[in-house]
Amino acid sequence: GQNIDQPTEMTATEGAIVQINCTYQTSGFNGLFWYQQHAGEAPTFLSYNVLDGLEEKGRFSSFLSRSKGYSYLLLKELQMKDSASYLCAVRPRGKLIFGQGTELSVKP
Amino acid sequence: NAGVTQTPKFRVLKTGQSMTLLCAQDMNHEYMYWYRQDPGMGLRLIHYSVGEGTTAKGEVPDGYNVSRLKKQNFLLGLESAAPSQTSVYFCASSYLGDSFSNQPQHFGDGTRLSIL
Repeated sequence: GQNIDQPTEMTATEGAIVQINCTYQTSGFNGLFWYQQHAGEAPTFLSYNVLDGLEEKGRFSSFLSRSKGYSYLLLKELQMKDSASYLCAVRPRGKLIFGQGTELSVKP
Repeated sequence: NAGVTQTPKFRVLKTGQSMTLLCAQDMNHEYMYWYRQDPGMGLRLIHYSVGEGTTAKGEVPDGYNVSRLKKQNFLLGLESAAPSQTSVYFCASSYLGDSFSNQPQHFGDGTRLSIL
């Protein structure tokens, strides 16, 4: 079967660093995506990993280990506007399978 | 630069009524998708299409039908609405899923549907 796990909620302080983990078990693998979704809005693309290692994009980085079925999203220098849901999604073949999302609250 | 446009944005239906949600994209994407999003459940794939004239079932297809008569449009139909179909519906599109593997899905703003 297909299974993607993320923590339901996380809280962090403005200016800090937070790591959101994602573990997956899927039949096939052709990439892992991270999306950000603010309340009441559409998901927007953050990052993509298909090979092992770290991908950095400004304040956001994403890591993948295919052998462990594991990824994380690292957010640095947290800002209040980073309060949102972060969705991990794996593409076994063409279509995406989404985790339930991690609700991140950034406190002053 | 419209991207993915969904209509309507909000709708309230009575049990047993039918309706069609429209998704239009102007990015010449081959793949299109319909998801529903419920609290604590994440995004679940209802149906998808890999090109004009094709459709396929996703994770939760029961109670829904779809059509892709034109490449830019993907319609989601509810023939007889049920309260369990109360949800937020998102449409998305992307280039070919595997050939352009690093291309993300682009989402519309969603349709908030309530079935009474």
